[in-house]
Amino acid sequence: DGGITQSPKYLFRKEGQNVTLSCEQNLNHDAMYWYRQDPGQGLRLIYYSQIVNDFQKGDIAEGYSVSREKKESFPLTVTSAQKNPTAFYLCASSQGVREKLFFGSGTQLSVL
Amino acid sequence: GESVGLHLPTLSVQEGDNSIINCAYSNSASDYFIWYKQESGKGPQFIIDIRSNMDKRQGQRVTVLLNKTVKHLSLQIAATQPGDSAVYFCAEIPLGGSYIPTFGRGTSLIVHP
Repeated sequence: DGGITQSPKYLFRKEGQNVTLSCEQNLNHDAMYWYRQDPGQGLRLIYYSQIVNDFQKGDIAEGYSVSREKKESFPLTVTSAQKNPTAFYLCASSQGVREKLFFGSGTQLSVL
Repeated sequence: GESVGLHLPTLSVQEGDNSIINCAYSNSASDYFIWYKQESGKGPQFIIDIRSNMDKRQGQRVTVLLNKTVKHLSLQIAATQPGDSAVYFCAEIPLGGSYIPTFGRGTSLIVHP
């Protein structure tokens, strides 16, 4: 089946620890995105990548890092600099710019 | 400090009724609009989209209406079913700039059997 796979579904972070969320797509999409969702809030853009080996900061990039070494993969690292990381993280992809986004099933990150 | 937006706007309907979910968008340069449905603990799913050269588009049991004059978008769901219970988001994509979608806070639809 074609789609976007996020893992793990649940992740726990200890204070001072970096954690990495995985996002893989087999849709052959050029663009990939990371959003953060807090309860009762809309989706806020963390980072996006419109092509391999290039990515741009979104509205809330501080405390996060990404890489785009392969077209199908766009991992997100939540660093220790992110002081309030508890949230639901969503990865998405689109064929190109100004195209509809397809989302993964999300990763719930919590702090121990 | 002020608590911000912990409670989504909510629409409660009876099974079989028609539902109308509204969305006001902010950017007059936006020319592509998308509705998503998000069930609890899952990622958003695409429902229907519309470009600014249209003012109405129909899908299966859903219709999207676009009023560019007042920057308003609505999603109509016919014969609402309990399985339609979810949070519904609209997204706008601007013509120009980064072309990145901006999402609204969403509306929680509750369908009572």
